[in-house]
Amino acid sequence: AQSVTQPDIHITVSEGASLELRCNYSYGATPYLFWYVQSPGQGLQLLLKYFSGDTLVQGIKGFEAEFKRSQSSFNLRKPSVHWSDAAEYFCAVGVQAGTALIFGKGTTLSVSS
Amino acid sequence: DAGVIQSPRHEVTEMGQEVTLRCKPISGHDYLFWYRQTMMRGLELLIYFNNNVPIDDSGMPEDRFSAKMPNASFSTLKIQPSEPRDSAVYFCASRPSGLAGGEQYFGPGTRLTVT
Repeated sequence: AQSVTQPDIHITVSEGASLELRCNYSYGATPYLFWYVQSPGQGLQLLLKYFSGDTLVQGIKGFEAEFKRSQSSFNLRKPSVHWSDAAEYFCAVGVQAGTALIFGKGTTLSVSS
Repeated sequence: DAGVIQSPRHEVTEMGQEVTLRCKPISGHDYLFWYRQTMMRGLELLIYFNNNVPIDDSGMPEDRFSAKMPNASFSTLKIQPSEPRDSAVYFCASRPSGLAGGEQYFGPGTRLTVT
């Protein structure tokens, strides 16, 4: 069965520092991959997605993610974190168009000044 | 576009009462999903519809939960009778067919508290 693992439950980063959130998936073929962000009391907003092609994808708010097939990973990065980036981040996998997504448990990001 | 609309945003009810959560998907979207989010279990898929037809309800926890989609612009998730362990945030999401990869658009959620 497909699964998504986000190894870090909580990460604290200083404002202006770089960020990397880890995501590993389990699936026999190339999945569709997503990163969503959830601010407190809000729904989930799509940051970026990977379907095929270039393995480095750019998203909104200055985020990017890199698909590494050999490592079954899709890590999210940002070169300089802002206080407004504090939120919960979810990695998700879709295995074919039309089916539901499988979400990781999420990583909570705190930003210190 | 107004996005996915959910109501109510907050619901507090007593154990044993019936609870109905409502969702209006984005116009033109053929798929509708109901999720439940808790601290313990994270984000879980409960059920999803395609063209108003339930496709997979294997995530519905038990017979107390039911979901309907009478038309393309409205869906309900009902819990009867409610229990304290049903306390969670319930999200509705939608997506159009033909959008490769399954990207979904989420509503703001309904926070349910059962006392």
